Amino acid sequence: SQTIHQWPATLVQPVGSPLSLECTVEGTSNPNLYWYRQAAGRGLQLLFYSVGIGQISSEVPQNLSASRPQDRQFILSSKKLLLSDSGFYLCAWSHIAGAAYEQYFGPGTRLTVT
Amino acid sequence: GESVGLHLPTLSVQEGDNSIINCAYSNSASDYFIWYKQESGKGPQFIIDIRSNMDKRQGQRVTVLLNKTVKHLSLQIAATQPGDSAVYFCAENPSRNSGNTPLVFGKGTRLSVIA
Repeated sequence: SQTIHQWPATLVQPVGSPLSLECTVEGTSNPNLYWYRQAAGRGLQLLFYSVGIGQISSEVPQNLSASRPQDRQFILSSKKLLLSDSGFYLCAWSHIAGAAYEQYFGPGTRLTVT
Repeated sequence: GESVGLHLPTLSVQEGDNSIINCAYSNSASDYFIWYKQESGKGPQFIIDIRSNMDKRQGQRVTVLLNKTVKHLSLQIAATQPGDSAVYFCAENPSRNSGNTPLVFGKGTRLSVIA
């Protein structure tokens, strides 16, 4: 069966510090991968998605970036965090193409920028 | 989208009553729809899905209705329980016959069950 991992689960970082959040998927190959951000009490904002290694589509211009160094690894980064970067970050995966469009979400990382 | 910055609407339901959560979508080409449940501090979890060639689909205590004429989707929860308290999101696949396009999520509805 497939599983998706995110770490860390929680993170408190000062303004201006760098960020690296990691997401890995097990039990499938060549998945589509996604990063979402959710502010407290708000909806899901798609940040990035990837259909393959090294292929990243950015949905929202900001000081965040994403990379996919391996097939089942998706990393969200920032060189300098802003207060507005605080939120709940969710990674998700889906099967590539075909008839199954469901996205499977990870447990999330709660980031607090102080 | 613009809805991600808005506070979630809240639906309060008495325990044991039926809940109906509504969602409007804008893309008439969307061919697949999902309902997700997100409990506090967790990632969204799949509840039920429906394809555009169907009007209704039933699961355990949940029913999804699709009205393509008015582009409306609803989730019905029978005999609502305290464990149903969560945020519910609808999502649509906007590109027919493509699995490489991200789902488009609705703004979400917070369901609060009153014991």
